Amino acid sequence: QSALTQPPSASGSPGQSVTISCTGTSSDVGGYNYVSWYQQHPGKAPKLMIYEVNKRPSGVPDRFSGSKSGNMASLTVSGLQAEDEADYYCSSYAGSNNVFGGGTKLTVL
Amino acid sequence: QVHLVESGGGVVQPGRSLRLSCAASGFTFSSSGMHWVRQAPGKGLEWVALIWYDGNDEYYADSVKGRFTISRDNSKNTLFLQMNSLRVEDTAIYYCARDRTSRGYTIDYWGQGTLVTVPS
Repeated sequence: QSALTQPPSASGSPGQSVTISCTGTSSDVGGYNYVSWYQQHPGKAPKLMIYEVNKRPSGVPDRFSGSKSGNMASLTVSGLQAEDEADYYCSSYAGSNNVFGGGTKLTVL
Repeated sequence: QVHLVESGGGVVQPGRSLRLSCAASGFTFSSSGMHWVRQAPGKGLEWVALIWYDGNDEYYADSVKGRFTISRDNSKNTLFLQMNSLRVEDTAIYYCARDRTSRGYTIDYWGQGTLVTVPS
């Protein structure tokens, strides 16, 4: 049950795009199409942004997109806006348990 | 809409027990897998436990296996986490979370969390 690997930080200017990676193994990210991404603002509960690798829940802007290749998943935020500044966590189903990444702090410059 | 409200957190001495509850509303509780996820102060998210929709299957993180027990009462739309032999490192905000499915593939809604503090 090792945590997924994410870069601790990422940044971009308003209007730019930024991609956050999430690296796991064949037992989690690579083995299932159940990768999710969550956004968490300070003091708030996490919010689902992407599920099943690349699906967006109702209400999530289409500026957010997800993908996966092998054992690595990615979250891309296009057209960065100030309100996108937050912590982002990836998560994967791992066959009877779930695992999270360590989180990436996204800064909008 | 989906509403999850945790309760039962507080300050507890090492080695003691605590029981968390999560009241669910706004969806068919008995059809959803349910999770507990925790977040230590200033740290990332850590998945703790999962229980299937019917309560017949439970899964735990290695860090809590043998000490924590997840359960549910579908007649009362309530999820529980019994925490025994608490340790300093169990200090965290504990979130109750719903799964999109009847099992445990994807968390889609979260409660606001309840803080558990185990002082050193």
